[in-house]
Amino acid sequence: EVHLVESGGGLVKPGGSLRLSCVASGFTFSDYTMNWVRQTPGRGLEWVSSISLSSVYIYYADSVKGRFTISRDNANNAVYLQMHSLRADDSAVYYCAKAAPSTDHFDYWGQGTLVSVSS
Amino acid sequence: SDVLTQPPSVSVAPGQTAGITCAGNNIGSSSVHWYQQKAGQAPVLVVYDDSDRPSGIPERFSGSNSGNTATLLINRVEAGDEADYYCQVWYTATDVVFGGGTKLTVL
Repeated sequence: EVHLVESGGGLVKPGGSLRLSCVASGFTFSDYTMNWVRQTPGRGLEWVSSISLSSVYIYYADSVKGRFTISRDNANNAVYLQMHSLRADDSAVYYCAKAAPSTDHFDYWGQGTLVSVSS
Repeated sequence: SDVLTQPPSVSVAPGQTAGITCAGNNIGSSSVHWYQQKAGQAPVLVVYDDSDRPSGIPERFSGSNSGNTATLLINRVEAGDEADYYCQVWYTATDVVFGGGTKLTVL
């Protein structure tokens, strides 16, 4: 059974940094693209970033480009999201999501970790 | 980026059929995927590639996509189907779009 467990969320001041982690199990982690998707009551679901199998292809939403960095550790079945220069509108529940083999949708999601950016 | 428009809410009586639409410019030329999100839980994929179901998803869930509208149909609606439903399209590697979500209420 596939499991994705996020951690690292919390309360941070504007301009601060935070690192999210997601540990995966139940599938061959190194065979799949991984993603971060966030959700807010006001903006709904928003794709944030994706990283391919061997980290060759990395993509970001325009809203986070230059501030967030995605990475993965296939030896430890983990994907990370380093977030810098955080703003109030980065406040959201951040989900780790496994891409389906076709990579154009998300077949498994973690339970999410809450990030709150406030002074 | 492209916009996907869903009705904010849909209500249906138990046992009836619920239809949730996702409107987008020429969406019929793209693959549409649907997620169910129950209160306090993570999204769950219920339909992918317009009309395919992941294993474990009841046959009551189906989808279609043509022209400017994709539709998720839920037959014989049950109380447990009450949730938010989101459509999603992958246009490019940096243009992954979700609809605004539809709250399904089972009367």
